[in-house]
Amino acid sequence: KAGVTQTPRYLIKTRGQQVTLSCSPISGHRSVSWYQQTPGQGLQFLFEYFSETQRNKGNFPGRFSGRQFSNSRSEMNVSTLELGDSALYLCASSFTGQNTGELFFGEGSRLTVL
Amino acid sequence: SQQGEEDPQALSIQEGENATMNCSYKTSINNLQWYRQNSGRGLVHLILIRSNEREKHSGRLRVTLDTSKKSSSLLITASRAADTASYFCATVTSGNTPLVFGKGTRLSVIA
Repeated sequence: KAGVTQTPRYLIKTRGQQVTLSCSPISGHRSVSWYQQTPGQGLQFLFEYFSETQRNKGNFPGRFSGRQFSNSRSEMNVSTLELGDSALYLCASSFTGQNTGELFFGEGSRLTVL
Repeated sequence: SQQGEEDPQALSIQEGENATMNCSYKTSINNLQWYRQNSGRGLVHLILIRSNEREKHSGRLRVTLDTSKKSSSLLITASRAADTASYFCATVTSGNTPLVFGKGTRLSVIA
C-alpha cells in the first residue's frame, strides 16, 4: 500500500509569491490534515479536510487555504508569502479522522521563502 | 498553541540503555499519542493511549498515562542507534478537536 505522497519535496519562493502544495493520502483514507513545522513554533495545525469538507482549522491567517478533491487528494495554498512562512509543511492522512486514530504522515514539503 | 510539553528537550544515552521521555499536558484529554520523527522527515505513529487506559506496550516501547497528574511517559528499552530521532506527544482534548503536538524530545543514542 503506497504511503502519503507530498509534492514538491523542496521549493524556493520569494516574498509576495504564492505556493501550492499537494498531498495524496493513503488509498481509502478520507481525512487529510496539514501541519506547519518550524524550529521556533514546532508543529502547528493548519486544517483538516474530511470527504471534501473542512472539518477543523488552526489559527493561521487567511493567506493559508486548502481544499480536498473527490479522490481525497488535497492541496494547500499560501498566498503573499512572507519570510516567516519558511517551514516544513506536513500532510497526514487517516481513515476516520485525525482525532480518533493514528495519523500517517508524508515526508513533507520544505518551503524556503527568500 | 502547545498542549503537551515534553521533558527533557534533549537526551543523550549509550546504546543498550533505556530512554524515558515525559509529556505533561494542560487540559483533560480524549487520547494521547506518541510519534517519532527522524531528522527532517515525516512523523511515524508509535502508540495511542486512551484516557481510560493506564499503560500500553508495543515491542520495546512502553507508554504510561496518569490522568490525575496530566502526564504521560514513553520508555524505550534497550535503545539502539536507530532510535535516534525526535519524539513528540500529541493530545486530543475532545471528539472534535485537532491533534495538538508538543515541541518534542530529541533523543541521541550513541553506539
